[in-house]
Amino acid sequence: NAGVIQTPRHKVTGKGQEATLWCEPISGHSAVFWYRQTIVQGLEFLTYFRNQAPIDDSGMPKERFSAQMPNQSHSTLKIQSTQPQDSAVYLCASSRQGNNQAPLFGEGTRLSVL
Amino acid sequence: QQKVQQSPESLSVPEGGMASLNCTSSDRNFQYFWWYRQHSGEGPKALMSIFSDGDKKEGRFTAHLNKASLHVSLHIRDSQPSDSALYFCAASEHGGGSNYKLTFGKGTLLTVTP
Repeated sequence: NAGVIQTPRHKVTGKGQEATLWCEPISGHSAVFWYRQTIVQGLEFLTYFRNQAPIDDSGMPKERFSAQMPNQSHSTLKIQSTQPQDSAVYLCASSRQGNNQAPLFGEGTRLSVL
Repeated sequence: QQKVQQSPESLSVPEGGMASLNCTSSDRNFQYFWWYRQHSGEGPKALMSIFSDGDKKEGRFTAHLNKASLHVSLHIRDSQPSDSALYFCAASEHGGGSNYKLTFGKGTLLTVTP
């Protein structure tokens, strides 16, 4: 079975440019999560969707970050006017409905803002 | 303040030895715990969950939870070089389903030396 697919694996942008990261969750999973990983901050929660509806975006920097889930097969994380401090690995995870269902992570997208 | 704290930051054990990792939550709402493992260049992979007081064993891995102190530990018996990875403790307010997000600690870097 294919796991969570994230594209691209690596993205390099210039300061001020826009970056769009893609996530394809595991088929049949009802929740999609976005996390950001850096050496200093570790794994930080950004936002999540359940059945395509936004549930909690408490971790999202409000001004330049946005996430969408237009259909059950993909979610996007968009960062406008990227800054060097946005450089991180962005991880997407999905989980199935039911007890004891661990969110399963993709391999991540490494974003480098020059 | 970090709501999920892990110790030690790094740990080195000889092949065949026992590795013990610790995690404490400062938020009493966090009653449900997961352990994840991340090898370099990959996304985190779920190892096991523990929701009840006491021990839970899965192969060479044993987790122990003390809900009164919100302390959870992970013990790896007969450690192998392939166990070398970054281990995360994660906590949530709910035990399952797609109704929860995980809050992660900063991780323990385990090195198993041949």
